[in-house]
Amino acid sequence: DAKTTQPPSMDCAEGRAANLPCNHSTISGNEYVYWYRQIHSQGPQYIIHGLKNNETNEMASLIITEDRKSSTLILPHATLRDTAVYYCIVRRIGGSQGNLIFGKGTKLSVKP
Amino acid sequence: GAGVSQSPRYKVTKRGQDVTLRCDPISSHATLYWYQQALGQGPEFLTYFNYEAQPDKSGLPSDRFSAERPEGSISTLTIQRTEQRDSAMYRCASSPGGQGTNEQYFGPGTRLTVT
Repeated sequence: DAKTTQPPSMDCAEGRAANLPCNHSTISGNEYVYWYRQIHSQGPQYIIHGLKNNETNEMASLIITEDRKSSTLILPHATLRDTAVYYCIVRRIGGSQGNLIFGKGTKLSVKP
Repeated sequence: GAGVSQSPRYKVTKRGQDVTLRCDPISSHATLYWYQQALGQGPEFLTYFNYEAQPDKSGLPSDRFSAERPEGSISTLTIQRTEQRDSAMYRCASSPGGQGTNEQYFGPGTRLTVT
């Protein structure tokens, strides 16, 4: 699976949009971009995933560049409860059920 | 139904003892994963099961680590002759399975401390 690069930490004001970047320049055609987050000591939580089109769900939006070498996770109105470590993961589809390779993630701190 | 559950939530053991950790996945889920998470790090893959088959053990750090899922539902992770470096959070996750893009649902983890 391709590697990802994320900033180690980011701050965001409560109520503002949080934009979390991820580089995955070696991504291949059969790999999806996944985002998970981990709040304090809880288990990781799935947020969203996409292949090449932008995606939106009730939690977040995912913007993937046309060349698919980078993406941005957007939390449109961050709250204090969104403070967490956010992991960008590239994962192959099809074949055997692939494990997730988490990396170090971005620690997002939402401040009042 | 209920999410993924793990037991015990905390385990303290002396070096050299064996420990067994348990995972109850979501009942309809075919695929089950084990991860190890050191403090301040992301989870690292250990092994996974499709029902009772174990196609990938590549993440198990040594032959002291083994996992089972004999009936394709509940799984156990056993660490023999524990060492201090085994101290970590052990997380289990399950997913529906198949060849789709299924998300993984994580349990609360078992915090293992080896003294």
